Amino acid sequence: DAGVIQSPRHEVTEMGQEVTLRCKPISGHNSLFWYRQTMMRGLELLIYFNNNVPIDDSGMPEDRFSAKMPNASFSTLKIQPSEPRDSAVYFCASSFQQVLEQYFGPGTRLTVT
Amino acid sequence: ELKVEQNPLFLSMQEGKNYTIYCNYSTTSDRLYWYRQDPGKSLESLFVLLSNGAVKQEGRLMASLDTKARLSTLHITAAVHDLSATYFCAVDMSGSQGNLIFGKGTKLSVKP
Repeated sequence: DAGVIQSPRHEVTEMGQEVTLRCKPISGHNSLFWYRQTMMRGLELLIYFNNNVPIDDSGMPEDRFSAKMPNASFSTLKIQPSEPRDSAVYFCASSFQQVLEQYFGPGTRLTVT
Repeated sequence: ELKVEQNPLFLSMQEGKNYTIYCNYSTTSDRLYWYRQDPGKSLESLFVLLSNGAVKQEGRLMASLDTKARLSTLHITAAVHDLSATYFCAVDMSGSQGNLIFGKGTKLSVKP
């Protein structure tokens, strides 16, 4: 199994640009989570999906952030427009059921200048 | 608001020694997870504790859960350099079904 796949692994962009992060969960998993990790705030849950339906997006910081899961094998996290304070590592994770252990992808390191 | 506190946040220990990392949380939960993160890497699942009194062991690491005390421990036995990493505990808000709240992590450094 390839595990959770994220792309790109690194993204450097200028303030104001749109950024799209992509995630492919482990095949057969029905829950998908997006996290953000920074030194200051640690690891924060942004949004999670169950069976492709968003369940809780209360962690999404602002309207500039949006996430979609059009099918069971693909999700995107979009930031538009991006700001320097969005610089962080963004992780995607998936699990077979919501209450079981989550498997994390390698992360996308985003730098907004 | 659920709070998850780990201590210590930094731990420097010598090889061969034993130590315990503590994870306290502020509200009812019967599901707790331990993860390991190496520098610049992703998070790796270590243990899933799903009930009061649960104890799990893997190699030199042993995790336990006391839901009444709202406390989990990660015990390290005879530490080796390869255990150097940051360890996170995460608590599932009771009934939230997937909304994990992570502690700040304990950065462990094992020195020869």
